[in-house]
Amino acid sequence: GENVEQHPSTLSVQEGDSAVIKCTYSDSASNYFPWYKQELGKRPQLIIDIRSNVGEKKDQRIAVTLNKTAKHFSLHITETQPEDSAVYFCAAPKVPDKLIFGTGTRLQVFP
Amino acid sequence: GAVVSQHPSWVICKSGTSVKIECRSLDFQATTMFWYRQFPKQSLMLMATSNEGSKATYEQGVEKDKFLINHASLTLSTLTVTSAHPEDSSFYICSAEIRTYGYTFGSGTRLTVV
Repeated sequence: GENVEQHPSTLSVQEGDSAVIKCTYSDSASNYFPWYKQELGKRPQLIIDIRSNVGEKKDQRIAVTLNKTAKHFSLHITETQPEDSAVYFCAAPKVPDKLIFGTGTRLQVFP
Repeated sequence: GAVVSQHPSWVICKSGTSVKIECRSLDFQATTMFWYRQFPKQSLMLMATSNEGSKATYEQGVEKDKFLINHASLTLSTLTVTSAHPEDSSFYICSAEIRTYGYTFGSGTRLTVV
């Protein structure tokens, strides 16, 4: 079944710097790769996603890259701000449709 | 669009009692609903998949007799934690897949068993 590994578990950056979080998945049939931001006690909030027919997608300061050959995808946040501080999860479907989450990354952006 | 309403948002119950959590799709029909559990500072772990009109499928290690799932209609899935114990205290959240859109999540239920 699908296994999703996420690194690092914690990440501290200075405001304005970039942050990169990486995930590796195991099911080569997976075709949808979302990234979520979760604040304490709240539901996961989708921040960006990518489907397997593209290699990169960007939305303002956030981008996701996908390498299907290597079975990994990454979240890139540029010009980080203190409000970016949260826990981020990647996910991939256990085909056909069960979404399996990575272990999470706690991002802290220091002013 | 694609809203899942989850209730209650929090509940405190005594050990040995049962608690029911409801997830209702408001503007779409959900033939499948996914139930997750999240312990503090951990990830969301898939517990089971509920299917409208048929039995739920449970992930390995999840007790189906303890976590009863019912998906009696296309808009309602329920999770009942039976004979709750303090170790069942957790954040429970449901999710549904929306084709071509992704996944939508309920707001979660914080269960505390005392």
